[in-house]
Amino acid sequence: QSALTQPRSVSGSPGQSVTISCTGTGSDVGGYPYVSWYQQHPGKAPKLIIFDVSDRPSGVPDRFSGSKSGNTASLTISGLQPEDEANYFCCSYAGRVRFVAFGGGTKLTVL
Amino acid sequence: QVQLQESGPGLVRPSETLSLTCVVSDYSITNDYYWGWVRQSPGKGLEWIGSSHHSGNTHYNPSLKKRVIISIDKSRSQFFLKLSSVTASDTAVYYCARQSDRGFYYESGTAYHPLTWFDPWGQGTLVTVSS
Repeated sequence: QSALTQPRSVSGSPGQSVTISCTGTGSDVGGYPYVSWYQQHPGKAPKLIIFDVSDRPSGVPDRFSGSKSGNTASLTISGLQPEDEANYFCCSYAGRVRFVAFGGGTKLTVL
Repeated sequence: QVQLQESGPGLVRPSETLSLTCVVSDYSITNDYYWGWVRQSPGKGLEWIGSSHHSGNTHYNPSLKKRVIISIDKSRSQFFLKLSSVTASDTAVYYCARQSDRGFYYESGTAYHPLTWFDPWGQGTLVTVSS
């Protein structure tokens, strides 16, 4: 059982927007501004797409955006494209004992 | 640009020690980042194992701490994972990754650097624990 809770699956049609939630506690997501998101295609390594809640690495399209409210972080993908179909994982700093917490992952299906 | 590549045995016997190497290319392992290991059991989510800094600072997942050692060889730009007393539940794809600790926060008047995002990742290596 993962420390952070994500929906197992979400779906959307091309051009639409979807939001993936990541719920933790005040000891991880809610306690620090250090949430990151990763995209993983089948058989591939995870790829960083959002860091520090809402920052995008260079090369990541601005269709990907991140936010946080209380103990829940969110990843929004707008203008869905077929290549966005993948698994998405959230990750948060979790203090000086646990250090790192991951979500269980969400499978995005582009219909 | 920095590249990471894992290597090691694909099959480990139960109760033995899993040993993996990650080679860091086109980047100095003594730059100010942590170097970490993350695993993914078949069809499951990601699990952080631990991360180490060339200064010697090393942090582990509390649930694995008793069985894990992560070390760095600066001269060969490599870092290592050793996981002892393995069982079938340790079967997973193991990834190495560079990890940032760029930010800071204050707690009881003391500044701390958090372990944050992972980038880039190696391609991953499947380790199966089986007799």
